[in-house]
Amino acid sequence: GDSVTQMEGPVTLSEEAFLTINCTYTATGYPSLFWYVQYPGEGLQLLLKATKADDKGSNKGFEATYRKETTSFHLEKGSVQVSDSAVYFCALIKSNFGNEKLTFGTGTRLTIIP
Amino acid sequence: DAMVIQNPRYQVTQFGKPVTLSCSQTLNHNVMYWYQQKSSQAPKLLFHYYDKDFNNEADTPDNFQSRRPNTSFCFLDIRSPGLGDAAMYLCATSRDRTGGLETQYFGPGTRLLVL
Repeated sequence: GDSVTQMEGPVTLSEEAFLTINCTYTATGYPSLFWYVQYPGEGLQLLLKATKADDKGSNKGFEATYRKETTSFHLEKGSVQVSDSAVYFCALIKSNFGNEKLTFGTGTRLTIIP
Repeated sequence: DAMVIQNPRYQVTQFGKPVTLSCSQTLNHNVMYWYQQKSSQAPKLLFHYYDKDFNNEADTPDNFQSRRPNTSFCFLDIRSPGLGDAAMYLCATSRDRTGGLETQYFGPGTRLLVL
């Protein structure tokens, strides 16, 4: 079945450091790929998405590129802030004749220290 | 401005005592989902409603039921909670379910504790 594997956390970085959170997937066909973020005490929010190979999703300084050849969708940010501290989930969804569902990774907890 | 609301945020129940979690949405979306998220694990889809059409995941235990009396509300009923049902329960909505083109909007979750 479809699956998503994320970099295990927790990840702790200093403010203004470069961030990479690795995500790889296993799926047949052509899934759409997502990054969701969960801030403390809140629900999951869509951070960015890409729906086809070589697409780049971007939002709030975060970027991820859909790489079909390496089945990856790594999340990057050039300079992190304390407010980026959260849990990040990589996910995929694949068209299934109206029965689509999100398949999530286990999440990566990110803590940014001033 | 809350779009997907879950109540309560924390729920404590006793082993075997039925419990109901609620979700409401102000987005007028057709699809509502319930996910279970255990500690340090990925959210797992339990079932979803497409309008009034209920879609159960094959591995969702019979102990879990759902009701959607109208577009805005959806309930998760756990008939006889066991210790293994302690988890965060997430409600989400989407306008439609056409593959990856539809964003799912999540509520803040209800954390269930079973004593």
